[in-house]
Amino acid sequence: DVKVTQSSRYLVKRTGEKVFLECVQDMDHENMFWYRQDPGLGLRLIYFSYDVKMKEKGDIPEGYSVSREKKERFSLILESASTNQTSMYLCASSSDRGGYGYTFGSGTRLTVV
Amino acid sequence: AQSVTQPDIHITVSEGASLELRCNYSYGATPYLFWYVQSPGQGLQLLLKYFSGDTLVQGIKGFEAEFKRSQSSFNLRKPSVHWSDAAEYFCAGVNNAGNMLTFGGGTRLMVKP
Repeated sequence: DVKVTQSSRYLVKRTGEKVFLECVQDMDHENMFWYRQDPGLGLRLIYFSYDVKMKEKGDIPEGYSVSREKKERFSLILESASTNQTSMYLCASSSDRGGYGYTFGSGTRLTVV
Repeated sequence: AQSVTQPDIHITVSEGASLELRCNYSYGATPYLFWYVQSPGQGLQLLLKYFSGDTLVQGIKGFEAEFKRSQSSFNLRKPSVHWSDAAEYFCAGVNNAGNMLTFGGGTRLMVKP
């Protein structure tokens, strides 16, 4: 089975810190995605990547950046964490872009204090 | 704008009762549509998907969904709910460009004994 692993289940960070959320997939998928999940808003796409060193903005990229130096790893970076970035972050990978076979990680619950 | 809407934030049903979760979409062409389930503390799991063809789609765990173009709906159904079905359910669709999966706000299902 495809496995998408997010390095931390829970994180607590201080306002202004630079935060790295890591995601690794083990099925050689080209496409990787970062979503943010908030109650009542569902999942909103932050950034996605179709290839190494390639990135594209999703619906809510402000305050975030990403890095994809290797095919299996896709990192989400909060340049200067703020309290409104307290949320659940979900990573996904897929062999295609069209939603055919997304596999999600278990999520990282980030709290910014 | 292309979107997916879930009108019900919470639904409570009794164990053994039937279930229908609503999903409406607004895509110009025939969309690719999906239902995902998220159990507490878990990532998202794909229940079923619709691409084309038969409008009644069978999924895992006894779920099915029906695509109705005239109503722009893709409602999820299950004839008899089990306590283990308590979870959050997300409807999702792929945009016309075929490169972005967009989620509804989610419906939290509670099951009464």
